[in-house]
Amino acid sequence: GAVVSQHPSWVICKSGTSVKIECRSLDFQATTMFWYRQFPKQSLMLMATSNEGSKATYEQGVEKDKFLINHASLTLSTLTVTSAHPEDSSFYICSARDRISYEQYFGPGTRLTVT
Amino acid sequence: QKEVEQNSGPLSVPEGAIASLNCTYSDRGSQSFFWYRQYSGKSPELIMFIYSNGDKEDGRFTAQLNKASQYVSLLIRDSQPSDSATYLCAVKSGNKLVFGAGTILRVKS
Repeated sequence: GAVVSQHPSWVICKSGTSVKIECRSLDFQATTMFWYRQFPKQSLMLMATSNEGSKATYEQGVEKDKFLINHASLTLSTLTVTSAHPEDSSFYICSARDRISYEQYFGPGTRLTVT
Repeated sequence: QKEVEQNSGPLSVPEGAIASLNCTYSDRGSQSFFWYRQYSGKSPELIMFIYSNGDKEDGRFTAQLNKASQYVSLLIRDSQPSDSATYLCAVKSGNKLVFGAGTILRVKS
């Protein structure tokens, strides 16, 4: 089956620093990848839609200058949380859509803790 | 953003019973519906998808869709303790998946 990986799986950083999270589709090509955030006991909230070779589309209320998304290839998208604050601590999950089947597959998630 | 609503639960059922999970959605134009299972600390995994009105069965799972009433449900037969998780209903709206808040299911042995 299709596999999506995320790296790192967890990260602890200090307030004010930046953190980059990678999302890779391992055995399929994804023209579209989605970035979600999930706070404890809440549902997944879509942050942005990332399209290969073009700018990401951000959901309302998500700061594009704070959450930088790059989708430079058909198998890799990155999310950089800039100037992280404790309130950015969350579970970040990416999802990749197969360009052929249009099926959407989730990565294992990255737990970010900002101290 | 269109809404997807689920009862947060927890829904408790004894082992071997049928668990019934429900979801309503507001976007009448939605055509694709998904059920995901999420264990604590893990990302969601797809259980089933359904596009047409009626029932769709896959092993112990049955998804039911009623577009006129705008609800979709998931039945889990012969519930097992390993089925204990949060079940997320997702509806495709345009290019995106919109998730409900999830229903916590607890299967007691």
